[in-house]
Amino acid sequence: KAGVTQTPRYLIKTRGQQVTLSCSPISGHRSVSWYQQTPGQGLQFLFEYFSETQRNKGNFPGRFSGRQFSNSRSEMNVSTLELGDSALYLCASNTDGRSGNTIYFGEGSWLTVV
Amino acid sequence: DQQVKQNSPSLSVQEGRISILNCDYTNSMFDYFLWYKKYPAEGPTFLISISSIKDKNEDGRFTVFLNKSAKHLSLHIVPSQPGDSAVYFCAASPTNAGGTSYGKLTFGQGTILTVHP
Repeated sequence: KAGVTQTPRYLIKTRGQQVTLSCSPISGHRSVSWYQQTPGQGLQFLFEYFSETQRNKGNFPGRFSGRQFSNSRSEMNVSTLELGDSALYLCASNTDGRSGNTIYFGEGSWLTVV
Repeated sequence: DQQVKQNSPSLSVQEGRISILNCDYTNSMFDYFLWYKKYPAEGPTFLISISSIKDKNEDGRFTVFLNKSAKHLSLHIVPSQPGDSAVYFCAASPTNAGGTSYGKLTFGQGTILTVHP
């Protein structure tokens, strides 16, 4: 069974640009959530999508957005990039978001903003 | 406000001995807890979990203990192996009245475990 797949793995962007990251969840998983990991803030929840709807959102500015497609694949977008957006962005999937369901992570997308 | 805390930034143990990693939480809405192992530049790998209705869960060399009254959980690794050297994260999931956690995990800051041969 394939795991959570994230693309691209590494990317470098310039301040002010925008970036789109992609995530394919484990087959059969309908809940996809996104996390940001930075050295200073640790792992922080960005948002969660289920059946193409955002169900929950963390404390991030509106520059961070996402969407989910009918096949459960998800994308997140960061507009007007800032240096502080440099981080490892992790996608996670689970069956339906119910408590007690294991949440599995992808390898992450390393974003460097210069 | 850090709702999940791992107060030990690092832990060093000898191969074959027990590793005990600790985690404290403050939010009484958390009812499902997970431990992840992580290497730099990789995603977290799920290790073991425990529901708040249990106080212990075992899986091979890994055992997680939950003390709800103290809002404390711990991960025991016995015996420890050099390949266990990594960063370990404790994570907690809240549940609403409908039993949905919305896939939201709150993570601790992590503990770097080093197992010496």
